[in-house]
Amino acid sequence: QKEVEQNSGPLSVPEGAIASLNCTYSDRGSQSFFWYRQYSGKSPELIMSIYSNGDKEDGRFTAQLNKASQYVSLLIRDSQPSDSATYLCAVSSNYQLIWGAGTKLIIKP
Amino acid sequence: SAVISQKPSRDICQRGTSLTIQCQVDSQVTMMFWYRQQPGQSLTLIATANQGSEATYESGFVIDKFPISRPNLTFSTLTVSNMSPEDSSIYLCSVDGEQVNTEAFFGQGTRLTVV
Repeated sequence: QKEVEQNSGPLSVPEGAIASLNCTYSDRGSQSFFWYRQYSGKSPELIMSIYSNGDKEDGRFTAQLNKASQYVSLLIRDSQPSDSATYLCAVSSNYQLIWGAGTKLIIKP
Repeated sequence: SAVISQKPSRDICQRGTSLTIQCQVDSQVTMMFWYRQQPGQSLTLIATANQGSEATYESGFVIDKFPISRPNLTFSTLTVSNMSPEDSSIYLCSVDGEQVNTEAFFGQGTRLTVV
């Protein structure tokens, strides 16, 4: 059974600090990795994708991938209250996306 | 990215009835996906719908309960049949890019409450 694991949280971070979200996956053959943000009552929206080892930065967001450790993370710098949401990790495996359960992030003003 | 219109956005239904959810995409796509998201849970894939063939259902989901239509490359429907309160959930339509291992795009979702 291919799995994607995330800490369900909630993760509470002060405004302006760095939020660090983590995800591990079981399928060593996975090639594509995604982070989605989901506000309560809304559908998931893609915020980052990463395909190779290392870091990928986009504005305040940085995705980090370590295929040897089967680990992908998302860093959010200068956290804002509007970043409060559930963050879903998704891993592509055999043409299908495997979803983590999501981490609820709360940014405290 | 694809623009996906899903309707209804929400409904409250009586147990034993059926609801059909529609999903319209602004471009032609090979595969469309239907997910369920129960309260506080992650996404669970119900089935994959290809145009011109029967949908492929995931373990735990059957065609009699969740019949799917895919009449063309831009449209699909999911019916939730003979509903019970356990079917209360958010149902999401999704498509991906035409290349392998690309991201998923979602419709707005349908929030279903069965009473």
